[in-house]
Amino acid sequence: GAGVSQSPSNKVTEKGKDVELRCDPISGHTALYWYRQSLGQGLEFLIYFQGNSAPDKSGLPSDRFSAERTGGSVSTLTIQRTQQEDSAVYLCASSSRDGSGYTFGSGTRLTVV
Amino acid sequence: GNSVTQMEGPVTLSEEAFLTINCTYTATGYPSLFWYVQYPGEGLQLLLKATKADDKGSNKGFEATYRKETTSFHLEKGSVQVSDSAVYFCALRDGDSSYKLIFGSGTRLLVRP
Repeated sequence: GAGVSQSPSNKVTEKGKDVELRCDPISGHTALYWYRQSLGQGLEFLIYFQGNSAPDKSGLPSDRFSAERTGGSVSTLTIQRTQQEDSAVYLCASSSRDGSGYTFGSGTRLTVV
Repeated sequence: GNSVTQMEGPVTLSEEAFLTINCTYTATGYPSLFWYVQYPGEGLQLLLKATKADDKGSNKGFEATYRKETTSFHLEKGSVQVSDSAVYFCALRDGDSSYKLIFGSGTRLLVRP
């Protein structure tokens, strides 16, 4: 597609429920990144994919967070047993293998009530 | 580890005033440096970048020079406009193969007519 597409744009969930956030990268971009933007923590890196592999998962805050990527394209970030501190905007970005064309999506605003 | 420190906001200026937003970094090796901008209700957009020492990035009247001796990448604009009101993020991309970005905490700029 023309840009990085994320869905849903907004998600309200009850504490303890699982949520899935989707990212559709720019066509042909082999690298995909997830970031989190929250009031207390600023903008922080979560995980990086190159193709379907995730060589850097260092930013995932707990084992409740996981992500996968299939077909070298769409990625899903899953948060299990959501907590109020998970409330944030989750941003996805994609780039070419060499890091060029780095582009962010508009994000998913997650609110845990 | 690598980190980015930028001045806290909000920064409030009158239209046509001179803008400086300070950014310093800590990194091993030779990172690339970036300024991103987030306009109200929109996603992150790349404003400018510099990939090596003494490079100057520029765009839309904004400039920043990669200063290795002072580990700084301060953002400047000679005459701000109301439309420049946004949150500005300084970021670095370290030299490893993951291309993840490390962000500062962001500086909110408010320009009054």
